[in-house]
Amino acid sequence: KNEVEQSPQNLTAQEGEFITINCSYSVGISALHWLQQHPGGGIVSLFMLSSGKKKHGRLIATINIQEKHSSLHITASHPRDSAVYICAVRTGTASKLTFGTGTRLQVTL
Amino acid sequence: DAGVIQSPRHEVTEMGQEVTLRCKPISGHDYLFWYRQTMMRGLELLIYFNNNVPIDDSGMPEDRFSAKMPNASFSTLKIQPSEPRDSAVYFCASRNHSSYEQYFGPGTRLTVT
Repeated sequence: KNEVEQSPQNLTAQEGEFITINCSYSVGISALHWLQQHPGGGIVSLFMLSSGKKKHGRLIATINIQEKHSSLHITASHPRDSAVYICAVRTGTASKLTFGTGTRLQVTL
Repeated sequence: DAGVIQSPRHEVTEMGQEVTLRCKPISGHDYLFWYRQTMMRGLELLIYFNNNVPIDDSGMPEDRFSAKMPNASFSTLKIQPSEPRDSAVYFCASRNHSSYEQYFGPGTRLTVT
């Protein structure tokens, strides 16, 4: 069993739909990161959180430390949101990230 | 700032050849990470440096892989000899000491035939 599990693996949505991507982990963490990988391959950091909730535009990330679970929500989805979304966890004071296998999202018109 | 710069963007080589991937981190960043991404295993950390010193190389697959950081603005990842199973996208990322947010380069797509 991987330390970081994401679901679903693949997700297709219509434009405007509310999207939720889930991430569960099995170890104690100091922080959780959400990354976005564009179809061209580039990776950008979306959120880094250790508690509660963060919001940036139409993206919202939440984390429940007790349940070892995080969600990434996209409101009013758009085709430009089509990408792979990757969850990663960091433990202790180390810099090392352990990654989930990613969720491939496609938003259609 | 130009962001993290990697070269080459694509590399095709024959099995047994030496491959060198290059990375220039964002100026002022004192952490540098090398990752490998494959369909089967996703993103994996190979090695990371802090202030040019290797801190954790536990992800380096075997002795065929080596990484160096001779100065704060340059790092290399070398594979010698290369094998078809090394085919992957290799990412370099950097961050500074005051934030754990990492900035990724565009990656090098390596194909070993």
